[in-house]
Amino acid sequence: LAKTTQPISMDSYEGQEVNITCSHNNIATNDYITWYQQFPSQGPRFIIQGYKTKVTNEVASLFIPADRKSSTLSLPRVSLSDTAVYYCLVGYGSSNTGKLIFGQGTTLQVKP
Amino acid sequence: NAGVTQTPKFRILKIGQSMTLQCTQDMNHNYMYWYRQDPGMGLKLIYYSVGAGITDKGEVPNGYNVSRSTTEDFPLRLELAAPSQTSVYFCASSYSRDRDDYEQYFGPGTRLTVT
Repeated sequence: LAKTTQPISMDSYEGQEVNITCSHNNIATNDYITWYQQFPSQGPRFIIQGYKTKVTNEVASLFIPADRKSSTLSLPRVSLSDTAVYYCLVGYGSSNTGKLIFGQGTTLQVKP
Repeated sequence: NAGVTQTPKFRILKIGQSMTLQCTQDMNHNYMYWYRQDPGMGLKLIYYSVGAGITDKGEVPNGYNVSRSTTEDFPLRLELAAPSQTSVYFCASSYSRDRDDYEQYFGPGTRLTVT
């Protein structure tokens, strides 16, 4: 069963780039890595998804090394509104829908 | 589209009572999920469904039951509520896995307290 590990918290300042790393040593061959953002009293919201190498969309980048045992979410030029909890999710490989594992979340505090 | 809707938003149960948490999605998604989130923790998968009539257990299924009679609805049943089931419950849905698109759409959650 895949286990994901993330830092509990991070601080940053407006305009900086933030990188949050998730460790997933037991990731299965067909597992995907997905990142979600959650604000208080709301459900998580999808940020980005990847399988290997690098993926970029309009809000973030996701870096996955060749061994896929970790992944790094990169948020460029954060603002105060990016203060939230960020979760990595590993799973979906072949028969792994029932083994979706969320990390414990990283609380990002963006300061002015 | 309303997306994923959940009812009720809040509920207080006494130990031993039962209740059903409702979840509906209007995006014609095949996959639906139930998670629980304890304070300061990540989400844990309770049950999921890959289509109408098909359900399976996730990481923490004990004390819960589900059914999926239609594509839109995925109710979660709590039998004999216990204090350990105090949590926030999230329902989510996503497209079929075959599309290589695993984005889950989450509902607003149901905050349940068992006393």
